[in-house]
Amino acid sequence: NAGVTQTPKFRVLKTGQSMTLLCAQDMNHEYMYWYRQDPGMGLRLIHYSVGEGTTAKGEVPDGYNVSRLKKQNFLLGLESAAPSQTSVYFCASRGDSPWEQFFGPGTRLTVL
Amino acid sequence: AQSVAQPEDQVNVAEGNPLTVKCTYSVSGNPYLFWYVQYPNRGLQFLLKYITGDNLVKGSYGFEAEFNKSQTSFHLKKPSALVSDSALYFCAVRDPLMEYGNKLVFGAGTILRVKS
Repeated sequence: NAGVTQTPKFRVLKTGQSMTLLCAQDMNHEYMYWYRQDPGMGLRLIHYSVGEGTTAKGEVPDGYNVSRLKKQNFLLGLESAAPSQTSVYFCASRGDSPWEQFFGPGTRLTVL
Repeated sequence: AQSVAQPEDQVNVAEGNPLTVKCTYSVSGNPYLFWYVQYPNRGLQFLLKYITGDNLVKGSYGFEAEFNKSQTSFHLKKPSALVSDSALYFCAVRDPLMEYGNKLVFGAGTILRVKS
């Protein structure tokens, strides 16, 4: 099992450009999450999904959109990137156990 | 609001010495507490959790954590540190209100450096 994978690993954007980050999991998990990690702030939840076809806002959703068309994939979109979105983005998933989340390796995004 | 605090940005310890990474929490209701570790250029990995029961919980890689309700703390410990333990450690609490899909609230993280 690959677990949770994320593409791309790195990306540099110019202000105003758009992009989509892909998260895929092969554990048949219902729940999936997108976090951003910024120095000194821990991880903050952007959006999450409780199953295929569902999405919901987290703590810091502004400027991002998500889709969960297939159970194994959770896409995070930036329609018009801003320098404040420079961060490391982590995807996570969990199954029936509410205790453990499985994280992907992260995507480092820089917006110039 | 639920929160966790990690008072130390960095902890330095010599290999073979015991280590402690501190975490305090603030929650309403019973806390569900976690420790995660992040190695360089990797995602977070689950180390251990406290849900109920014994105050001393054991986890992966020889780590353990002590839950102290009166001090609202959940410190991570290891009797003998290894250089390979050097990483970024996050304390987290599950939101007992179960909002946001049972989201985790993370602390800011503590860098652990173990020197040989």
